[in-house]
Amino acid sequence: AQSVTQLDSHVSVSEGTPVLLRCNYSSSYSPSLFWYVQHPNKGLQLLLKYTSAATLVKGINGFEAEFKKSETSFHLTKPSAHMSDAAEYFCVVSDRGSGYSTLTFGKGTMLLVSP
Amino acid sequence: GAGVSQTPSNKVTEKGKYVELRCDPISGHTALYWYRQSLGQGPEFLIYFQGTGAADDSGLPNDRFFAVRPEGSVSTLKIQRTERGDSAVYLCASSLGVAAQVDTQYFGPGTRLTVL
Repeated sequence: AQSVTQLDSHVSVSEGTPVLLRCNYSSSYSPSLFWYVQHPNKGLQLLLKYTSAATLVKGINGFEAEFKKSETSFHLTKPSAHMSDAAEYFCVVSDRGSGYSTLTFGKGTMLLVSP
Repeated sequence: GAGVSQTPSNKVTEKGKYVELRCDPISGHTALYWYRQSLGQGPEFLIYFQGTGAADDSGLPNDRFFAVRPEGSVSTLKIQRTERGDSAVYLCASSLGVAAQVDTQYFGPGTRLTVL
């Protein structure tokens, strides 16, 4: 079985300051991990994915995440927040043991960016 | 190119009615997934198609829910005797369906279903 825990339901930052969205996972197999972003009334968009290559993964819009197996974490970071980053972010795990990639989502973290 | 499309974008129905939700995947994608997102929650898996067949329907909550993909492209999620608890956003995703790698799933904008 696989699961994801997003440690914060809401994170508030000021524009230009760093962003940290925390995620811990549980998986029976070597997991693949993703971060998706959901803007209001828009579809889910893939930010980045980890698939057992480099542990530091760079995504779109300046986001990156580091896979830490010893901590079972996959936190999302960005050095400097922009107003357009305000959205809901989902950490997602895929358990490859099933042979295909059914995704298990966390409950989401709402990122609020103030001017 | 065109992404995943879903119709309708919004559906309001009365308790006990039947509804159909449509998903048009990215051309050439053999894998298709349905998820349900309730208010304040992350999406939850419902059913997975590889080609025309439902390879995994373990996420369907009960036998009122059914999905088809007769020609391996467009899929329809069908809900009979709708209940107020079925109100949610229903998301469709598609991927290449290559077993040897982790497919990226591309999501549609969703159908917001409201059962009165």
